[in-house]
Amino acid sequence: LAKTTQPISMDSYEGQEVNITCSHNNIATNDYITWYQQFPSQGPRFIIQGYKTKVTNEVASLFIPADRKSSTLSLPRVSLSDTAVYYCLVGVNTGTASKLTFGTGTRLQVTL
Amino acid sequence: DGGITQSPKYLFRKEGQNVTLSCEQNLNHDAMYWYRQDPGQGLRLIYYSQIVNDFQKGDIAEGYSVSREKKESFPLTVTSAQKNPTAFYLCASTTGRRPDSPLHFGNGTRLTVT
Repeated sequence: LAKTTQPISMDSYEGQEVNITCSHNNIATNDYITWYQQFPSQGPRFIIQGYKTKVTNEVASLFIPADRKSSTLSLPRVSLSDTAVYYCLVGVNTGTASKLTFGTGTRLQVTL
Repeated sequence: DGGITQSPKYLFRKEGQNVTLSCEQNLNHDAMYWYRQDPGQGLRLIYYSQIVNDFQKGDIAEGYSVSREKKESFPLTVTSAQKNPTAFYLCASTTGRRPDSPLHFGNGTRLTVT
């Protein structure tokens, strides 16, 4: 199972771009990379997912290099409401390969 | 609205008592998961189930038990054998039929044991 490593915390000012990198050196061929956001006392919610190259949606971008051993979540122009914990999850959820294990996450603090 | 319902939101128990946390989903998902979160910590996997009547231990299964008698329901029992049961418990589900299907989470149950 691919283990993930993220920075424990990051600080940013409102309006800046924030990049959070996740290392997953032993990612398997079938694994997808999924990022979640969690606010206090709530369940995590899906932000973005990718397999390779770059993915963009209305809230974030995900950059995955060719070797797939890391990924970077990019949040453009963060606001105070982006203060949360961000988790990188690497795995595949079909059949027996379904043990989806989270890392410790990155606590992002956005200030004025 | 489809989603995952965890109840109750807050639960208080005396030490030595078993307690069961409810998790129900109407998303028609095959796979369901239970995670535990301690203050300032990440999510740790307790149990997961891919299909009805089948489940596997996660990383911290000791002191917990589950059942999966119905596709929609995956209750978690915290037994008196669990040494430090006070925590935030999260239930999640996913289709399990597509490798890229994301997890959908409930809003958690905060259990306090004194």
